[in-house]
Formats: sequence, C-alpha cells, structure tokens
Amino acid sequence: EPEVTQTPSHQVTQMGQEVILRCVPISNHLYFYWYRQILGQKVEFLVSFYNNEISEKSEIFDDQFSVERPDGSNFTLKIRSTKLEDSAMYFCASRYESRDTQYFGPGTRLTVL
Amino acid sequence: AQSVTQPDIHITVSEGASLELRCNYSYGATPYLFWYVQSPGQGLQLLLKYFSGDTLVQGIKGFEAEFKRSQSSFNLRKPSVHWSDAAEYFCAVGAQGSARQLTFGSGTQLTVLP
Repeated sequence: EPEVTQTPSHQVTQMGQEVILRCVPISNHLYFYWYRQILGQKVEFLVSFYNNEISEKSEIFDDQFSVERPDGSNFTLKIRSTKLEDSAMYFCASRYESRDTQYFGPGTRLTVL
Repeated sequence: AQSVTQPDIHITVSEGASLELRCNYSYGATPYLFWYVQSPGQGLQLLLKYFSGDTLVQGIKGFEAEFKRSQSSFNLRKPSVHWSDAAEYFCAVGAQGSARQLTFGSGTQLTVLP
C-alpha cells in the first residue's frame, strides 16, 4: 500500500540554524500539507500546497517557514532560523482530490537546542 | 472558524469493555469529519471519515462513529476493546475550500487494562 514517507525521523539542531524536513507524498496525490504537534499539544495545520503554490497557511507559518516541491516527488519544509519553540513533531500529509482523505507520514521530530 | 472539542483527556477501560470517545465540533456548514489514531512514536492513521450520507460510519479495527448534526457530535465507538487499541485518538474537521486543511481536537489518550 502506498504511503507517505518522511526524513529524517529525528533532527537535532542549534537555535538559529536552518533545517529542511523532507517528505515524499503518495505518488498520484495532488494536495500536500505540513502539520506540527508540539509535545503534549494538539496537531496544528501549518500550510497546504497545490499546483506548485501555497493554497492556505496558518498564522504559525510566518516568514521563517517556506515549502517547496523541487522535483515532482519530494515536498520540503524549510525553517530558516530555528527557535526553541519550533521543537515539535512535524507531519507531512497528502491527498488525491478534494473529497479524499489526507494520509499522514510518520513524522520528523525536530529538537532545537 | 471551525473548532473541535474532545472533552475527555484520558479514558481507561478494561479489555473487552465497550468504548465511546466524544467529539464535538463547531462548523458553519456540513462538516467533513475524521477520526485518527496515533500510537506512541507513530504517525496518524485514519480510522474512519464522514463526508455525507449515512450518519453511522464504519471504520477499520472494528470502530464506528455516528454523526449527529443536532448535537454537533461525531462520537467514536467500539463494542469490545482490545489491548492493542491503547493509543491517542484525534477527532478532526476538514475546512471548506479546496485545501480542506484539518483542525484537530486535543486528543483522548486511551489506556486499556488487562
């Protein structure tokens, strides 16, 4: 069964450093998402991406964040200058069409020291 | 803006007992509703979804949920819980618009006693 994959599973970085989290969505899916879950809190929407552009973003997704689909298979989330409060589990998700289900990857745990 | 409330932070049941996890939503139109399960260290797995039609929906692992518009609820049920059901359960509502981003509840942690 096709699945969403994410790398790395765990990333440790120093405050102020740039990180790139990578996702490979399910191959025929058209909509892509990033969510995050701070430890002990609810899963929060960050951004959605369709047709090579951002379709929705939350207030969390400020100028420090960017997304890209560089090669037609990968979907990346870049955090330009990490802060302590960026420490969280980041989930990628993808969906085929409007009424379909979002399928989630296993997540990348980001720890900012 | 839509919101989801899961009033029970933690529920403990004995193996073989029935289970009901509560979910209330706030949404202006007919909602798209989902239940996801998260085991420790794992991602989110879809249990079931409601888009339209029959208000009682069946999911994987023997779970079902009932959409009640009058109560703005979408409670998850299972008639007989197994030890492997211990996990965190999230209710979510999908937004209007093509992006359909999900708004999640805070989750309910389920503990199953032997």
